[in-house]
Amino acid sequence: DSGVTQTPKHLITATGQRVTLRCSPRSGDLSVYWYQQSLDQGLQFLIQYYNGEERAKGNILERFSAQQFPDLHSELNLSSLELGDSALYFCASTRTGNTDTQYFGPGTRLTVL
Amino acid sequence: GENVEQHPSTLSVQEGDSAVIKCTYSDSASNYFPWYKQELGKRPQLIIDIRSNVGEKKDQRIAVTLNKTAKHFSLHITETQPEDSAVYFCAAKETGIYNQGGKLIFGQGTELSVKP
Repeated sequence: DSGVTQTPKHLITATGQRVTLRCSPRSGDLSVYWYQQSLDQGLQFLIQYYNGEERAKGNILERFSAQQFPDLHSELNLSSLELGDSALYFCASTRTGNTDTQYFGPGTRLTVL
Repeated sequence: GENVEQHPSTLSVQEGDSAVIKCTYSDSASNYFPWYKQELGKRPQLIIDIRSNVGEKKDQRIAVTLNKTAKHFSLHITETQPEDSAVYFCAAKETGIYNQGGKLIFGQGTELSVKP
C-alpha cells in the first residue's frame, strides 16, 4: 500500500457525460500528479499540482481539468466523455523533502460506453 | 521535451535466467530514473531508481545501470522467478521549472514472462 488513495475504483458511464476522479496523496505530500494509462498509449502524464497550484501540464485535453484543494486532495474532472477516454487513471504523490520518488495510487478504471 | 524509448516490448525467460531491459532518454538534463513494476490492473510499484550522480545501484536480485554519456539506462534482474512476471516501465524525470518534483516520462513498457 503506497498511502495514496483514489476513488472510485471503477466508473462506467456514457459518452457525453462528466465524471470526477478523486485522489488523496500520502500524508504530508504536497505534489500530486495525474497519469492516464490506455492500452495503446502507455502511461501518459496529464498534470501536476503542488500545494494547490498547477506546476506542469502534459498533453491534457481541454475537456479535462484538475484542481488541488487546501487539504491537498486533488480531483480530475473529465467532461464530454468519448469512447477513447476509457483508461486507467492514476494519481501519484511525492514526499515533502524528497521530490523525486512518485508513489502511485491504485487507480480508477474508467469505462465509457 | 523528454522522450524515453524502451526495449524490448516483450521478454520471455526461463526461471533462474537473467533478464535485461534497456531504455534511452533524450534530455541530458534529466537526473532521476525510476523503474516501476506493474501487475495486471494494479498500480505501478517502484522497484528501484537511480540518480544521475550514480552509475549503478543494486538491490538484491535487481540492479540498474546508467550511462549518462550515452543517455541510456538498464534494468537487470537475476535469478528470475515466476512472480517477476509483470510489465516493467522505465521513466525519466523531466525537471520542473520550480524543481518541485517534475513529471515522469515513461517508456512504452516491457512485458516480462518468466516460465517455470
